[in-house]
Amino acid sequence: GQQLNQSPQSMFIQEGEDVSMNCTSSSIFNTWLWYKQDPGEGPVLLIALYKAGELTSNGRLTAQFGITRKDSFLNISASIPSDVGIYFCAGHLPSNTGKLIFGQGTTLQVKP
Amino acid sequence: GAGVSQSPSNKVTEKGKDVELRCDPISGHTALYWYRQSLGQGLEFLIYFQGNSAPDKSGLPSDRFSAERTGGSVSTLTIQRTQQEDSAVYLCASSSVTGDYGYTFGSGTRLTVV
Repeated sequence: GQQLNQSPQSMFIQEGEDVSMNCTSSSIFNTWLWYKQDPGEGPVLLIALYKAGELTSNGRLTAQFGITRKDSFLNISASIPSDVGIYFCAGHLPSNTGKLIFGQGTTLQVKP
Repeated sequence: GAGVSQSPSNKVTEKGKDVELRCDPISGHTALYWYRQSLGQGLEFLIYFQGNSAPDKSGLPSDRFSAERTGGSVSTLTIQRTQQEDSAVYLCASSSVTGDYGYTFGSGTRLTVV
């Protein structure tokens, strides 16, 4: 089936550093979304992207929908301890019925 | 309700028993999704409901898994004759009918089969 390749798998950074993660696919996606999951909770939507080339910010988060529609990245600037968690990319295929395909996740740890 | 509610939050069951997991979506959300998250893994799609019908159930792993939705609201995921490999967090999400792909997830049910 369709897969999203998300990297890196994990990151351990110092507080204040910037973070970048990305997702690629062999398929074209109509939408790209980025979620964050805290322990014991469901994923929470951070940013949604709907057009190729779109660049969207949400506070310290910035995400882009790749021009080829096969990739997306998420940047976090000036990381803080509460950024710790698992970040997932997700995409919606043109032929799908609403189903989202999720990446494997990037686990972020921030050292104060 | 204000958010997606799932129950129970934790379930420990013996191998071979049947279990039912419940999801109460956000009021007015017509689309409902079930996903499974195994330890350290991403989210695996199971089934999608639009109203009471399931246009896409392609992710159900076997015929031991079934789901229904009644009244366009509450959904139940049933796993019959549970196996140890069924141990995972089962997440439910809902979204509005307007094509908003930004699901709202519940906190999940952590299922442990012993």
